[in-house]
Amino acid sequence: DAGVIQSPRHEVTEMGQEVTLRCKPISGHDYLFWYRQTMMRGLELLIYFNNNVPIDDSGMPEDRFSAKMPNASFSTLKIQPSEPRDSAVYFCASSPHREGTGELFFGEGSRLTVL
Amino acid sequence: AQSVTQPDIHITVSEGASLELRCNYSYGATPYLFWYVQSPGQGLQLLLKYFSGDTLVQGIKGFEAEFKRSQSSFNLRKPSVHWSDAAEYFCVGRYNFNKFYFGSGTKLNVKP
Repeated sequence: DAGVIQSPRHEVTEMGQEVTLRCKPISGHDYLFWYRQTMMRGLELLIYFNNNVPIDDSGMPEDRFSAKMPNASFSTLKIQPSEPRDSAVYFCASSPHREGTGELFFGEGSRLTVL
Repeated sequence: AQSVTQPDIHITVSEGASLELRCNYSYGATPYLFWYVQSPGQGLQLLLKYFSGDTLVQGIKGFEAEFKRSQSSFNLRKPSVHWSDAAEYFCVGRYNFNKFYFGSGTKLNVKP
């Protein structure tokens, strides 16, 4: 079975450019999470969806960040405009409901570098 | 408030030695508990999980963890460490269906 698929794996862009990160969760999973990982702050939850509906976006740093999940098999995280401090590894993870016992399944991550 | 704590930021052990990584969860409702491993440049991979029942759980790659309610702990162990175990390890608690709390991680170095 395919796991969580993220693209691109690496992105280098210049400050001010728009960045779109993509995620395909595992089929049948009810939850989708976006995390950001940096050396300074570790793993931070940005937003999560339940059945395609955003539930908690309190971790989204500011209005430059937006996330969508138009259907159960696809989600995007967009940064517009990007800034050097957005450089990080962005992980997507999905989880089955299983009455609250399911674990997180992580993608390989998208490493973003903003120059 | 719920939280998961890993008190050790870095640990170095010799290859072949035993390993124990500590994890404590906040007192109160017992979360579902997980240990993940992250190798450099990789995503997080599940090692093992605890929901209920037997307090000693076995995982992949020869790891095990023991849940101790009296100590609010879920420590990860391995009897003999291999150089390929060098990575960062995260303890994670799942509360209230959809709240995952991550420990800050423990980086394991393995000396030859």
